[in-house]
Amino acid sequence: DSGVTQTPKHLITATGQRVTLRCSPRSGDLSVYWYQQSLDQGLQFLIQYYNGEERAKGNILERFSAQQFPDLHSELNLSSLELGDSALYFCASSGPTGPNSPLHFGNGTRLTVT
Amino acid sequence: TQLLEQSPQFLSIQEGENLTVYCNSSSVFSSLQWYRQEPGEGPVLLVTVVTGGEVKKLKRLTFQFGDARKDSSLHITAAQPGDTGLYLCAGVGDSNYQLIWGAGTKLIIKP
Repeated sequence: DSGVTQTPKHLITATGQRVTLRCSPRSGDLSVYWYQQSLDQGLQFLIQYYNGEERAKGNILERFSAQQFPDLHSELNLSSLELGDSALYFCASSGPTGPNSPLHFGNGTRLTVT
Repeated sequence: TQLLEQSPQFLSIQEGENLTVYCNSSSVFSSLQWYRQEPGEGPVLLVTVVTGGEVKKLKRLTFQFGDARKDSSLHITAAQPGDTGLYLCAGVGDSNYQLIWGAGTKLIIKP
């Protein structure tokens, strides 16, 4: 158990809809990362937050947004969904031990857009 | 832009065989992490290598960081079905400290 909790585990929705994915980081971790993983592919970095502030941005579409709340949980909002947005979305957290800190991943939310 | 190339992309071998997975770049990394991901789960950290030339062992898995800190390898001895999974390498950029991910190696060990 990594200590990172993601909800929901599965999400099925239609094109054009909007969904919110939720992540609770490991206790004490200030950084939260969001990744997208398509079938049998590697991880695509979307965005990172540190203690409520956006720290780094990757290949995140304008239709997607995220935030980290004062209690450090994070939400990833996906809107105007397209079939190609179907993927596994992972949240990870890391501690304040410097840039070499390992990431602790949740078990992901599987999004299916029909 | 820093890139990490992993090879092979896919490997299917029999139980008991040895294998090596490579992670290569033209850029220098301050450290490199290896993760294993099993179906339906998130990646789990196996090891972090920090020093050029460093070798770390985890039971039958041997990890090496290149002398110039531009490449790394993962060698598995006497592979077992439990080693099946997606192996991902991730390098910490030497200048911007961002994590750069390889595309992964999907490993299947057949009993």
